[in-house]
Amino acid sequence: AQSVTQLDSHVSVSEGTPVLLRCNYSSSYSPSLFWYVQHPNKGLQLLLKYTSAATLVKGINGFEAEFKKSETSFHLTKPSAHMSDAAEYFCVVSLPDSSYKLIFGSGTRLLVRP
Amino acid sequence: DTAVSQTPKYLVTQMENDKSIKCEQNLGHDTMYWYKQDSKKFLKIMFSYNNKELIINETVPNRFSPKSPDKAHLNLHINSLELGDSAVYFCASSRGRGQHFEAFFGQGTRLTVV
Repeated sequence: AQSVTQLDSHVSVSEGTPVLLRCNYSSSYSPSLFWYVQHPNKGLQLLLKYTSAATLVKGINGFEAEFKKSETSFHLTKPSAHMSDAAEYFCVVSLPDSSYKLIFGSGTRLLVRP
Repeated sequence: DTAVSQTPKYLVTQMENDKSIKCEQNLGHDTMYWYKQDSKKFLKIMFSYNNKELIINETVPNRFSPKSPDKAHLNLHINSLELGDSAVYFCASSRGRGQHFEAFFGQGTRLTVV
């Protein structure tokens, strides 16, 4: 069963405009949720995480995400895109019924136009 | 002072060879992982060790054998390599097994089997 779904495989924005990367999860338990970023030919870097504290989570580089239980969503946003934000973004869930392993979404490629 | 380091970064080898990828973390973490990223960027867990004990073993061919000589190291040995093993392999570590622990990733090893 798919535990995490990223709704867009590609998102293209102009520099200086807002970014929205969508993520939905499915779980009978209260999940922990993460967003990771992968720049070309690089490893994965943690942007932010939600672990049942504040529902609005602030991360690095101006990114933030809001946990909405009623919508089972954890969308990633940024007010103003920068060229350096162009990368692959992964929404990740950790669940007690999956031995706490990190389950990755399929990724969203963010393209930033000058 | 790299946190999670893998060697080699690139590995090109012929089918049926045996190869190893090494991973070391200097974060003092108890848990280490191997993930495989396929050509479509999809990331899937292969193995997880906690304090040198195997705790997650996904449906991976038994040609893949992880070895953890101590908490700071988790190596991956692959026997009789096949074309389909070509992928990027990521090592990661986390402070513990719980739901709230994020993983720190290495830079990846790009394995190409020819």
